[in-house]
Amino acid sequence: DAGVIQSPRHEVTEMGQEVTLRCKPISGHNSLFWYRQTMMRGLELLIYFNNNVPIDDSGMPEDRFSAKMPNASFSTLKIQPSEPRDSAVYFCASSFRINEKLFFGSGTQLSVL
Amino acid sequence: SQQGEEDPQALSIQEGENATMNCSYKTSINNLQWYRQNSGRGLVHLILIRSNEREKHSGRLRVTLDTSKKSSSLLITASRAADTASYFCATDGSGAGSYQLTFGKGTKLSVIP
Repeated sequence: DAGVIQSPRHEVTEMGQEVTLRCKPISGHNSLFWYRQTMMRGLELLIYFNNNVPIDDSGMPEDRFSAKMPNASFSTLKIQPSEPRDSAVYFCASSFRINEKLFFGSGTQLSVL
Repeated sequence: SQQGEEDPQALSIQEGENATMNCSYKTSINNLQWYRQNSGRGLVHLILIRSNEREKHSGRLRVTLDTSKKSSSLLITASRAADTASYFCATDGSGAGSYQLTFGKGTKLSVIP
């Protein structure tokens, strides 16, 4: 298996633009997580899906953030409109079962100018 | 929310020496996990220790867990330059919301050849 695949690897955009981050979890994994990593706040959980259903989105910072998982092999995190303070590395991670080890993607480095 | 806190924040050692990193957390857990992150990469799972376990080994890694003190330690023996990375502990919860893995800010380990 190729592991968790995220795209794009880097994204540079201007304030106000829409940003869509993509994630393909490992086949057979039932749990999917989106995390954001910054120097100031470390790793923050944004949203958690179980069997494609959003279970907890309390970590999503604002209504500008939304996430979907239309099927077991694909998820998106969208920011609309983007702001400079959204600049961070966004990670997608999946696990076979809840409370088991997470497999992380390589992340998307987002820069909002 | 509970959070693992790693100590020290940074550690610099010579190749061949042992490296010890500590993690403290606040409330009851099911599992505690350790992850490694190389610069610019995603996190990689190292070891998971359950709340009813006290010690676990994996190659040159040794993890201990003291639930009475709410602390864990990660020992890397005979360190190598390739061990240079940031190390994070992650804790889940034992009740509602236990799927949430909360990460600390990490220990940045530098192994000098």
